[in-house]
Amino acid sequence: NAGVTQTPKFQVLKTGQSMTLQCAQDMNHEYMSWYRQDPGMGLRLIHYSVGAGITDQGEVPNGYNVSRSTTEDFPLRLLSAAPSQTSVYFCASGSGGAGQPQHFGDGTRLSIL
Amino acid sequence: ELKVEQNPLFLSMQEGKNYTIYCNYSTTSDRLYWYRQDPGKSLESLFVLLSNGAVKQEGRLMASLDTKARLSTLHITAAVHDLSATYFCAAKQGAQKLVFGQGTRLTINP
Repeated sequence: NAGVTQTPKFQVLKTGQSMTLQCAQDMNHEYMSWYRQDPGMGLRLIHYSVGAGITDQGEVPNGYNVSRSTTEDFPLRLLSAAPSQTSVYFCASGSGGAGQPQHFGDGTRLSIL
Repeated sequence: ELKVEQNPLFLSMQEGKNYTIYCNYSTTSDRLYWYRQDPGKSLESLFVLLSNGAVKQEGRLMASLDTKARLSTLHITAAVHDLSATYFCAAKQGAQKLVFGQGTRLTINP
């Protein structure tokens, strides 16, 4: 059981480049989310999805796009990378059931030069 | 807007001692989560607390929830080095949106 799988694990980009961070889960969870983690700030929600075809913005959505065409996949796109987007990005999924946690992937460490 | 604050942010303690991490949240939330994160690693779920007065225990860790005070605590009993990590609390807002505290970096010294 793979759980939540994120690729790549590390990436270095130049300012202005675009890229897509991949996230896949094999638990048939309806809910999926993207967070960014910066030192001293905990995790902040970027975008989330409550099911295939449904997405919404979180706390820090600017500069990022998402789509949810299948239950399994929830890619995060950086449109034009900026140094302020240097961070560790975590994808999470959850069933929404009472008492059930969200499960996190291993993270993508992204540096923008 | 839901805000979550943890204290302390840094905690250095000796093995064998007890201590408590506090998590305050600003508005009503029906779920409170505790996660552990080791350096460079993902977040590992510790507890999910659903109702007022809920208490859950796993080994040397015990979490509780007081929804009236909007306060959750994570109590560490007789700390051991293996518990050194960063601990996060998070409160649920709306449909599965989690708002995280800043994290408490716990270092347990022999």
